[in-house]
Amino acid sequence: EAQVTQNPRYLITVTGKKLTVTCSQNMNHEYMSWYRQDPGLGLRQIYYSMNVEVTDKGDVPEGYKVSRKEKRNFPLILESPSPNQTSLYFCASSLSGGANYGYTFGSGTRLTVV
Amino acid sequence: AQTVTQSQPEMSVQEAETVTLSCTYDTSESDYYLFWYKQPPSRQMILVIRQEAYKQQNATENRFSVNFQKAAKSFSLKISDSQLGDAAMYFCAYSYSGAGSYQLTFGKGTKLSVIP
Repeated sequence: EAQVTQNPRYLITVTGKKLTVTCSQNMNHEYMSWYRQDPGLGLRQIYYSMNVEVTDKGDVPEGYKVSRKEKRNFPLILESPSPNQTSLYFCASSLSGGANYGYTFGSGTRLTVV
Repeated sequence: AQTVTQSQPEMSVQEAETVTLSCTYDTSESDYYLFWYKQPPSRQMILVIRQEAYKQQNATENRFSVNFQKAAKSFSLKISDSQLGDAAMYFCAYSYSGAGSYQLTFGKGTKLSVIP
């Protein structure tokens, strides 16, 4: 089944403890992206990647890192999480044309930083 | 910068009735794409419908259709014969069609309730 897989689905952590949210897609998509969703703000892009080893900042990149060493994987790294990073995170991928054909989204990671 | 506005934070509709969700956007581009995504309580983001700005014809997917008014920068979603499974958050989104268009810009969403 074609899908974007994120793990974990839920995560509670403490301030300052480094964490990684994994994302993997099995559709051979070139484009991958991370979004965060907050009540009343919709979804905002954190980082995106056009291909292996090519990444760039979205609208809200502060406090996050990403890497794209393999085409299928695009992990999101929080080096020192803070409570304002409590949010619902989505990984997404797209075959071609960037966002023009819409992204396929993972099922989300609910992160709570205390 | 492009912005997407959904002016109705919440709406409700009777089962089997028709409801229209509003979306306006601001852009200086002439070529772009517009989308409606559905997010049910499972929180999965599901693409409902996609519209290419250079096409005059409004997109349709089964019970879902759009009213795309390019001059007015309006992109509303009509749901016909509403079903209980249509209850969800609905997000309108915009994508510029030019080079480097890797971003979907989302509105803040409209929560749709379906009344049995």
